[in-house]
Amino acid sequence: AQTVTQSQPEMSVQEAETVTLSCTYDTSESDYYLFWYKQPPSRQMILVIRQEAYKQQNATENRFSVNFQKAAKSFSLKISDSQLGDAAMYFCAYRSALGGGADGLTFGKGTHLIIQP
Amino acid sequence: DAGVIQSPRHEVTEMGQEVTLRCKPISGHNSLFWYRQTMMRGLELLIYFNNNVPIDDSGMPEDRFSAKMPNASFSTLKIQPSEPRDSAVYFCASSIGWGSPLHFGNGTRLTVT
Repeated sequence: AQTVTQSQPEMSVQEAETVTLSCTYDTSESDYYLFWYKQPPSRQMILVIRQEAYKQQNATENRFSVNFQKAAKSFSLKISDSQLGDAAMYFCAYRSALGGGADGLTFGKGTHLIIQP
Repeated sequence: DAGVIQSPRHEVTEMGQEVTLRCKPISGHNSLFWYRQTMMRGLELLIYFNNNVPIDDSGMPEDRFSAKMPNASFSTLKIQPSEPRDSAVYFCASSIGWGSPLHFGNGTRLTVT
């Protein structure tokens, strides 16, 4: 079974600064997908970014980018120019490419991101 | 374009009562997932369906939990009888498959007293 580990229960950053959230995972599979989700206090789960394991290029979505290191099984999220609205729980998630895509996501425990004004 | 719709948003019930949570997935999505979120255990996958068929229910904690998907646009998660330790936020999510992201509903916060 796959596991996802987020070693930082909480991170704090000054508004407009850059912060990196860490995520490692354990799998014996070679093909899979990785995601970062954001959960603000409203508890809505919002997709931030997606990465295919077979792609070497790191995914980017506006101020959000990832550093995907397949050999190290590492998938960190970088948030540039942090804004107050970025304050939330951030979850790293793994999805197998087996099973025809019908498998669910395996989540890490989450990192609580605090933005200091 | 409507997202995943869950009802109710909040549910408060007494121990021993039956609870039914409802979910309408995004039209065209062929996979549906039920998750439970607690502080202690985080997000746990309870069960998922593909084309309305239950594929894996190994995450369902006990026989008190059951889930159905009678058609492509509706699913229920039932707890009977409910217990205080079932208190959690229950999410429904849907996906179009093959590595696509899961789209989550707003969740149901269940409190069992």
